Amino acid sequence: DIQMTQSPSSLSASVGDRVTITCRTSQSIGSYLNWYQQKPGKAPKLLIYAASSLQSGVPSRFSGGGSGTDFTLTISSLQSEDFATYYCQQSYSTLPYTFGQGTKLEIK
Amino acid sequence: EVELVESGGDLVQPGGSLRLSCAASGFTFSSYALTWVRQAPGKGLEWVSATSGSGGSTFYADSVKGRFTISRDNSKNTLYLQMNSLRAEDTAVYYCAKDRAWALTGIYDYWGQGTLVTVSS
Repeated sequence: DIQMTQSPSSLSASVGDRVTITCRTSQSIGSYLNWYQQKPGKAPKLLIYAASSLQSGVPSRFSGGGSGTDFTLTISSLQSEDFATYYCQQSYSTLPYTFGQGTKLEIK
Repeated sequence: EVELVESGGDLVQPGGSLRLSCAASGFTFSSYALTWVRQAPGKGLEWVSATSGSGGSTFYADSVKGRFTISRDNSKNTLYLQMNSLRAEDTAVYYCAKDRAWALTGIYDYWGQGTLVTVSS
């Protein structure tokens, strides 16, 4: 299985901050990398797919980048509703489509 | 509007069985692959099983292979997960998720609210 490593595991930030979360994969996956947001007690929500494509309806302050084994999710100016846990997920050809362990974004 | 509604979660003893359902609406059901993803209490997301739009192709995580069976009834717009020989480590919220295409892309654009399965004596 492809291993996913997110960093940091948790992060404290303030409204208006610029935040970047990193995801590293154990083998090259091209651009087959997706990002999800999950709030407590809720289902995950797709934010970014194919490394940098913004899902319809997702605010433009979210952006994704990277390819190969190193990827980033950036929130340009944090809003109060962005405090949540973020997961990366690889969708390369090899099943299972593994998820990272999550990054919990908390209010400072 | 796309909607996925899971049901069937319950408290079950180790070694028992359970069938989860996911009722879908708001899209052409047979045109999309569907997936089950689970989340143990306080833990991250784990991909469990997936099926193509026709149901002719099915895939499983090693942790559930031989114990779980995914199926779909395209006439009823419903996805199922038959879970046998349940173990304590199967305890989780189970989500069904819609893929973006008929074949598996692994990109899940809609998710249900989840159903809780608890395996305990």
